[in-house]
Amino acid sequence: DAGVIQSPRHEVTEMGQEVTLRCKPISGHDYLFWYRQTMMRGLELLIYFNNNVPIDDSGMPEDRFSAKMPNASFSTLKIQPSEPRDSAVYFCASSLGEYPEKLFFGSGTQLSVL
Amino acid sequence: AQKITQTQPGMFVQEKEAVTLDCTYDTSDPSYGLFWYKQPSSGEMIFLIYQGSYDQQNATEGRYSLNFQKARKSANLVISASQLGDSAMYFCAMRDQQTGANNLFFGTGTRLTVIP
Repeated sequence: DAGVIQSPRHEVTEMGQEVTLRCKPISGHDYLFWYRQTMMRGLELLIYFNNNVPIDDSGMPEDRFSAKMPNASFSTLKIQPSEPRDSAVYFCASSLGEYPEKLFFGSGTQLSVL
Repeated sequence: AQKITQTQPGMFVQEKEAVTLDCTYDTSDPSYGLFWYKQPSSGEMIFLIYQGSYDQQNATEGRYSLNFQKARKSANLVISASQLGDSAMYFCAMRDQQTGANNLFFGTGTRLTVIP
């Protein structure tokens, strides 16, 4: 079975450019999460969706970040304009939402903003 | 206050020996779940083991076991018979009603190095 698929694996961009990260959750999973991992702050939840609806976006750093889930099999995280402090690994994860509700993670996108 | 505390930034263990990775948590909710994830150098996050707050017995999954001490609010991961492939970052995580029904709050991690 395919796991959570993220693309691209690596993204290098210049400050001010728009960045779009993509995620395909595991088929049948009702919940999708976007996390950011940095050395300073560890793993932080940015936003999560239930049945394609954003439930909690309180972790989104600022208005430059936006996330969408147009259907059950696809989500995007967009940063516009990007800044060097956005450099991090961005993980997408999905969950069935049933006990024990464990999260399945994608391989992550390593973002470097120069 | 930190919800999850992992006090060991790094740990070393001899191959074939057992190792315990510490995790303490903070919650006032009676219902919560505790998770351990492994992150090898390749970067992916791999689920290892889960313990529910109402579970009577400590969770076990192969060489992984969770030493759950509810009164102390600790959920230490024990890896038996360490292998070189166990070298990785290990994260403890918790879900309670405050973090959200399906969200996990992660600790800062412990880097485990298995020595041949």
